Amino acid sequence: GIQVEQSPPDLILQEGANSTLRCNFSDSVNNLQWFHQNPWGQLINLFYIPSGTKQNGRLSATTVATERYSLLYISSSQTTDSGVYFCAVVNSNYQLIWGAGTKLIIKP
Amino acid sequence: NAGVTQTPKFRILKIGQSMTLQCTQDMNHNYMYWYRQDPGMGLKLIYYSVGAGITDKGEVPNGYNVSRSTTEDFPLRLELAAPSQTSVYFCASSRYPGQMSANEKLFFGSGTQLSVL
Repeated sequence: GIQVEQSPPDLILQEGANSTLRCNFSDSVNNLQWFHQNPWGQLINLFYIPSGTKQNGRLSATTVATERYSLLYISSSQTTDSGVYFCAVVNSNYQLIWGAGTKLIIKP
Repeated sequence: NAGVTQTPKFRILKIGQSMTLQCTQDMNHNYMYWYRQDPGMGLKLIYYSVGAGITDKGEVPNGYNVSRSTTEDFPLRLELAAPSQTSVYFCASSRYPGQMSANEKLFFGSGTQLSVL
């Protein structure tokens, strides 16, 4: 089945720094999503981005489907950005396959 | 509009006990899902349902059962709890299946933290 790998597994930054999170997937997909899980466990959709680039405030995402990777950019990090960032892709059975996540800690 | 509601939020079970995790959604979504999240890992699909009366196994169904008698409710049953089932469980729902569009999101419940001792 499809494998989803995220890097780095952990990232600690000072407030105001920029960061890039990476998601590699092992097979072609037509659906890729980024999620944020806050420190209280709540899961929030960030981007639906099967290809191309999207931006939402300080966050943006780019997926290069032909090269099987996606990047999530966070600019001017704030402490509220802390949590775990997941990417997930849809397999041929319409099931979401999740990466292990990148744990981001933003220090004030 | 409550979205997806899960109960309980926390539970401790002894080995061999049984319990049901409740999940209700009020968005009239056909698709509902149960995931488990082990520490430091992403979510793994346990079971899913494409509508009332229809359920199917996900990646990790062993030790669990589900039913979908109504559109709103999708309970998850653990029959003989084992320490390996210690995890955080999330219920989710969506209007369409995995190929969601930018305007069709996956909605999550707040999770159930289960410990089996």
